Amino acid sequence: GQSLEQPSEVTAVEGAIVQINCTYQTSGFYGLSWYQQHDGGAPTFLSYNALDGLEETGRFSSFLSRSDSYGYLLLQELQMKDSASYFCAVRDPNTGGFKTIFGAGTRLFVKA
Amino acid sequence: GAGVSQSPSNKVTEKGKDVELRCDPISGHTALYWYRQSLGQGLEFLIYFQGNSAPDKSGLPSDRFSAERTGGSVSTLTIQRTQQEDSAVYLCASSSLGPDTQYFGPGTRLTVL
Repeated sequence: GQSLEQPSEVTAVEGAIVQINCTYQTSGFYGLSWYQQHDGGAPTFLSYNALDGLEETGRFSSFLSRSDSYGYLLLQELQMKDSASYFCAVRDPNTGGFKTIFGAGTRLFVKA
Repeated sequence: GAGVSQSPSNKVTEKGKDVELRCDPISGHTALYWYRQSLGQGLEFLIYFQGNSAPDKSGLPSDRFSAERTGGSVSTLTIQRTQQEDSAVYLCASSSLGPDTQYFGPGTRLTVL
């Protein structure tokens, strides 16, 4: 089956840089997606990596290494509003590729 | 157009009652997804639609759960004979370019007493 592992919690200071890791096990691989979810809110799409390397979108960057089955989300210049849960996700290739498996989420606490 | 909408936003029901949850995807999005999220947990995939077709229903937790989509747009998730363990937030998402970029609705918080 497909599975993803990510740390349950990360704490960082406002203005700092934080990295949220995700390792995955899949029988096939399309790419790795990242979503942000604030308490009581809906998940919102952040980024997607299909190929190895770094994708940058403003303060957020996402990295993928397919050979290591590993990716991370990098948040720079942390702001209090970045306190949220972050989920990595992959597609399940065994069911036509539309079923999406999410990690359990990493709760990021940003301190002043 | 507007984002994904879901109704109701909150639903409180008694054990054993049936409930219907509605999702209105972004206009033009062909794929639609249903997830369940318990408090403090990750997203549990339930079912997806490509057009009006649901090729894989294996994610539905039991035969009390069913979903349909009509006209390639609105979808309804129905839970029959609700149980307390069905209490969760039910999220709907849609996508146009494939499942790697999904747009989520605000969810329906279901509480079964």
